[in-house]
Amino acid sequence: GEDVEQSLFLSVREGDSSVINCTYTDSSSTYLYWYKQEPGAGLQLLTYIFSNMDMKQDQRLTVLLNKKDKHLSLRIADTQTGDSAIYFCAERETSYDKVIFGPGTSLSVIP
Amino acid sequence: GAVVSQHPSRVICKSGTSVKIECRSLDFQATTMFWYRQFPKQSLMLMATSNEGSKATYEQGVEKDKFLINHASLTLSTLTVTSAHPEDSSFYICSARDLVRGSGYTFGSGTRLTVV
Repeated sequence: GEDVEQSLFLSVREGDSSVINCTYTDSSSTYLYWYKQEPGAGLQLLTYIFSNMDMKQDQRLTVLLNKKDKHLSLRIADTQTGDSAIYFCAERETSYDKVIFGPGTSLSVIP
Repeated sequence: GAVVSQHPSRVICKSGTSVKIECRSLDFQATTMFWYRQFPKQSLMLMATSNEGSKATYEQGVEKDKFLINHASLTLSTLTVTSAHPEDSSFYICSARDLVRGSGYTFGSGTRLTVV
């Protein structure tokens, strides 16, 4: 079945870049998403990438997709303390209007 | 952008009672909405897909009689937790997709259910 994996924790210093990695198994995924969740809150869509793209950049966020290796990454430039949160990678299957989430990476930013 | 409103944000109920959670798409129509459950420090688990005007599609292991879903209009889906027990305490989140604007799924702010 489909599966999405992420490392669970990442700690970076304020001002450095953060790179959060994700691997997925469903080769038919069409869209891949990055969501941010702050404590006690819902999920905020940060960005998404279509499976025929290699890279997408949006201000401080850069998404890289290696479709061959089924590897997705999110780079946050100039990480700020407000970026501390849990980041979820998710994939959407082609055949179903359904999104599968990874376990989430807890990002801690050290001042 | 697309906005999904979820209410209540927090509810405490007694064991054996039922609780209704509402999910509304405010500025778009959603023929499909999704209900997730999230345990502390864990990922989101899809419970069911709510289809406007028809029965919901439940994921394996989710009791349809326990978690009643109604999607009576294009902007409203409700999840009712019936005969709630302490093990139903969790964070419930809904989401919907604006097919006109794009392909991102917008999430509600979530409902923290505590059953005592």
